[in-house]
Amino acid sequence: EILLTQSPATLSLSPGERATLSCRASQSVSSTLVWYQQKPGQAPRLLIYDASNRATGIPARFSGSGSGTDYTLTISSLEPDDFAVYYCQQRSNWPITFGQGTRLEIK
Amino acid sequence: EVLLLESGGGLVQPGGSLRLSCAASGFTFSSYVMNWLRQAPGKGLEWVSTISGSGGTTHYVDSVKGRFTVSRDNSKNTLYLQMNSLRAEDTALYYCAERGTNWGPFNMWGQGTMVTVSS
Repeated sequence: EILLTQSPATLSLSPGERATLSCRASQSVSSTLVWYQQKPGQAPRLLIYDASNRATGIPARFSGSGSGTDYTLTISSLEPDDFAVYYCQQRSNWPITFGQGTRLEIK
Repeated sequence: EVLLLESGGGLVQPGGSLRLSCAASGFTFSSYVMNWLRQAPGKGLEWVSTISGSGGTTHYVDSVKGRFTVSRDNSKNTLYLQMNSLRAEDTALYYCAERGTNWGPFNMWGQGTMVTVSS
């Protein structure tokens, strides 16, 4: 099973700041890395797939990068609506696994 | 517009059974890879099961193998999860989600149905 470790667990920033979220895999996931956003009481929303491709309707301030075992989600300039929990996920190997999440909170 | 609507959750005693359903609309259901995922209260996301468009291929997380069965009725555009021998640790919000036709990411999710296993 591929273990995904997200860091930091909690990130406290202000609107307008840049957010950098990390996801490290226990072995290569061959760029199948996916990022989701989840707000309280809502289902997760797909943000980035295959490491760097924005999903339909996702604003350009969200970007993904990385390869092999190390991946990053960057939000270039935080808006109030971006404060949520972010999960990474791999689909390289069964079982599909998720990171434990990074909570992005308003400072 | 893709819509996924889960139902069938509820309170069940340990060792009991439940069948979850997910009614799909807005896409060619029979072509899409469908999935169940769950989220325990206050916890992260966990993938549970995947079924191919034809239903001929299924995958499960180890913790539910032999207890849960995923199936689909393409004539009714409905996905199912039969859950037997339920345990307290199965308590979670269960989501269905679609992965398109190419086993990609979880593109769209339903709003979930809550399963509580407790005596």
